[in-house]
Amino acid sequence: ILNVEQSPQSLHVQEGDSTNFTCSFPSSNFYALHWYRWETAKSPEALFVMTLNGDEKKKGRISATLNTKEGYSYLYIKGSQPEDSATYLCAFLRSNYQLIWGAGTKLIIKP
Amino acid sequence: GAVVSQHPSRVICKSGTSVKIECRSLDFQATTMFWYRQFPKKSLMLMATSNEGSKATYEQGVEKDKFLINHASLTLSTLTVTSAHPEDSSFYICSARDSQEATETQYFGPGTRLLVL
Repeated sequence: ILNVEQSPQSLHVQEGDSTNFTCSFPSSNFYALHWYRWETAKSPEALFVMTLNGDEKKKGRISATLNTKEGYSYLYIKGSQPEDSATYLCAFLRSNYQLIWGAGTKLIIKP
Repeated sequence: GAVVSQHPSRVICKSGTSVKIECRSLDFQATTMFWYRQFPKKSLMLMATSNEGSKATYEQGVEKDKFLINHASLTLSTLTVTSAHPEDSSFYICSARDSQEATETQYFGPGTRLLVL
């Protein structure tokens, strides 16, 4: 069974606090791991594409790590701001180019 | 760059009618586009992969005669929901892959909310 699990499903974080959430994926036939941010009433926006075990990517206050051997990726947000409120989706790209999506983590930043 | 538009953004139609949704890549060429459906509180469900100049590849369980896909140019793919029924009411979203990129990143349109009465 090919499942991409994201946890938690939703998360309320106080403005200014840091937070993180997880994407778990099958560790076999790995090609790449994508993170997207989907703000309400907007299109999903690509954040990171990660391909190598141990990869760490950063974009402003957001960073992500990748462990392909154990099949997980973490997304970290430092000093959360209201504009970080969104659903964060991860997608696992298999070596046959099949993209499997997680259900997302809905992040709500409380001012 | 990498903007994808989708039209219409929302549509209400009567049961039995057909609805066409357009997906355009505005500033890049996309040999491959994807059509997704999102059910409430669920992830994106890939319906089909649309390939320019050839037949679309449908995922298991998606009726190709019900959801007609045409990808006639490098910047336009259309999804036609034929003989729509209330159970087809959903959020449909397309994405496009830039032919020049090797990352497999998908650029998404804003989605179309379909309500079938």
